[in-house]
Amino acid sequence: TQLLEQSPQFLSIQEGENLTVYCNSSSVFSSLQWYRQEPGEGPVLRVTVGTGGEVKKLKRLTFQFGDARKDSSLHITAAQPGDTGLYLCAGDRSGGSNYKLTFGKGTLLTVNP
Amino acid sequence: SAVISQKPSRDICQRGTSLTIQCQVDSQVTMMFWYRQQPGQSLTLIATANQGSEATYESGFVIDKFPISRPNLTFSTLTVSNMSPEDSSIYLCSAGQGYGYTFGSGTRLTVV
Repeated sequence: TQLLEQSPQFLSIQEGENLTVYCNSSSVFSSLQWYRQEPGEGPVLRVTVGTGGEVKKLKRLTFQFGDARKDSSLHITAAQPGDTGLYLCAGDRSGGSNYKLTFGKGTLLTVNP
Repeated sequence: SAVISQKPSRDICQRGTSLTIQCQVDSQVTMMFWYRQQPGQSLTLIATANQGSEATYESGFVIDKFPISRPNLTFSTLTVSNMSPEDSSIYLCSAGQGYGYTFGSGTRLTVV
């Protein structure tokens, strides 16, 4: 059983379109983190959300943490080819005590010019 | 945040041999983690490496197959032993705590 359900698994869109990636769980997380990974590189942290209902914006990216701390979403406005990559959500259930993350299955995003 | 140098970046190995992957962190970190990843897919945690103690392995991974060293707070190695084609994958190390983690750039291993 996947603790963190991430959807969609694959997404191919045209430049300028909007998109949302979802990360859902039946478990409560202390925090949820979003990473982006490009081919040949390791995942790079984009944002951490740690408060229920929290919304963080990074330019065209909006990250939201559910009120119940069980789900999160990533919304990209006016996607660009440079947004292409593997997006991974990861949850921390320990409150930082054992530092172990649970990863979703990932969303492979392709933005076509 | 910490910067991690991981090497080798890729290797092609004969079955039955072993490969040691190294990760050097530019600052002291308590915990380091080793993951395995198929291209375009998510990460599977192999083990957690704590300095001065034995690594803690996840279900499905054993020390004889994936021995880990953690001699100090800035360095760790993962060895993939007695390799078979099924071990072909990307191996990543990670360090950090709480609210964010840094990853190495990965080692793409192909076993032939």
